[in-house]
Amino acid sequence: DQQVKQNSPSLSVQEGRISILNCDYTNSMFDYFLWYKKYPAEGPTFLISISSIKDKNEDGRFTVFLNKSAKHLSLHIVPSQPGDSAVYFCAATSKTSYDKVIFGPGTSLSVIP
Amino acid sequence: KAGVTQTPRYLIKTRGQQVTLSCSPISGHRSVSWYQQTPGQGLQFLFEYFSETQRNKGNFPGRFSGRQFSNSRSEMNVSTLELGDSALYLCASSLGPTGYNSPLHFGNGTRLTVT
Repeated sequence: DQQVKQNSPSLSVQEGRISILNCDYTNSMFDYFLWYKKYPAEGPTFLISISSIKDKNEDGRFTVFLNKSAKHLSLHIVPSQPGDSAVYFCAATSKTSYDKVIFGPGTSLSVIP
Repeated sequence: KAGVTQTPRYLIKTRGQQVTLSCSPISGHRSVSWYQQTPGQGLQFLFEYFSETQRNKGNFPGRFSGRQFSNSRSEMNVSTLELGDSALYLCASSLGPTGYNSPLHFGNGTRLTVT
């Protein structure tokens, strides 16, 4: 049973526009969420995170929104750039038990120049 | 500061053989986690070691095992290889126990192909 879901395997966006990547989770014990970006032939790199005590966290062009009641989070990239083309993984963990980090299946983002 | 180093980068084995993958974490990092990546499945958690002790284990058969040494370097072993074990194996290190307030730093992975 997949505890972290990313229902869109792929997404195409025009350069300069907004990219919105979605993630849903089922485990109500999760209280810390992360986004990672992965280029081919490289390991994932940490992008941005959010604690369950917040509903928004920004870092430059990247903003993560958390809706705890819906068990949903999203990553917004504004403006999108061709270099943002990569696979994006949503991940979740529980700080209470320093539990393992669970990753979603990923969304492949293509930013078209 | 050197990143997480995984060796080898590529490996080809035949069914029934065993394999050992190696991971050197970032200097000072005491936690090492292992993940398996296959198309459509994302990153599946294998296990996590902290200070030489296995803290967490994923839902993988006993053929998958690991260990961590006193210098925090880690190895994972897969015995009696099956075709379905073909995947990218990723190692990640962090300062403290798993992820929270201490993001995972990944290596570039070992691509294992079982024929």
